[in-house]
Amino acid sequence: EAGVAQSPRYKIIEKRQSVAFWCNPISGHATLYWYQQILGQGPKLLIQFQNNGVVDDSQLPKDRFSAERLKGVDSTLKIQPAKLEDSAVYLCASSQGPKMGNEQFFGPGTRLTVL
Amino acid sequence: GENVEQHPSTLSVQEGDSAVIKCTYSDSASNYFPWYKQELGKRPQLIIDIRSNVGEKKDQRIAVTLNKTAKHFSLHITETQPEDSAVYFCAEYSGAGSYQLTFGKGTKLSVIP
Repeated sequence: EAGVAQSPRYKIIEKRQSVAFWCNPISGHATLYWYQQILGQGPKLLIQFQNNGVVDDSQLPKDRFSAERLKGVDSTLKIQPAKLEDSAVYLCASSQGPKMGNEQFFGPGTRLTVL
Repeated sequence: GENVEQHPSTLSVQEGDSAVIKCTYSDSASNYFPWYKQELGKRPQLIIDIRSNVGEKKDQRIAVTLNKTAKHFSLHITETQPEDSAVYFCAEYSGAGSYQLTFGKGTKLSVIP
């Protein structure tokens, strides 16, 4: 079974520039998550999708971050404009459903460096 | 809101010794507690989990215990091996509406050969 795919793996940009990340979840997984992992910390949920609808985006900085999952499969996360503090690994995860016990499978992440 | 405290932040043990990592949580509605292992530069991977109706779960050298009254749970690794060296994250899952995982800050485990 193919895992969660993400691209790019690494991205370096200057502050105030824009960047977009792409995620392809495991086939058949209805729930998709975007996490931000700052160095030395645990993943922090940014947004959760159930199919193509947003379940929770309470921790997404909506003034600069946006995400979509238009067809309920792939998803993109965008930052515009980027700030220095956005430097982190952005992890995408997917699960069969949102409820307890549905294991979340993580992608390899995109390491973003904002200079 | 949900909060998970994880201790210690770093842990060094001799190969063959045991390692224990502890987490406390604040949300009484939390009912599922997974543990993830993240090797350097790699993705987090689930290694064991426990549900709130169980006090202990074991899988080979790994065990997790849960005390719902005290709101804490622990990861126990016995007979540690160098390949156990990684960052371990505890997490809590609250099904009270938001259905999301909240992670601890992680414990960097180093197993010294």
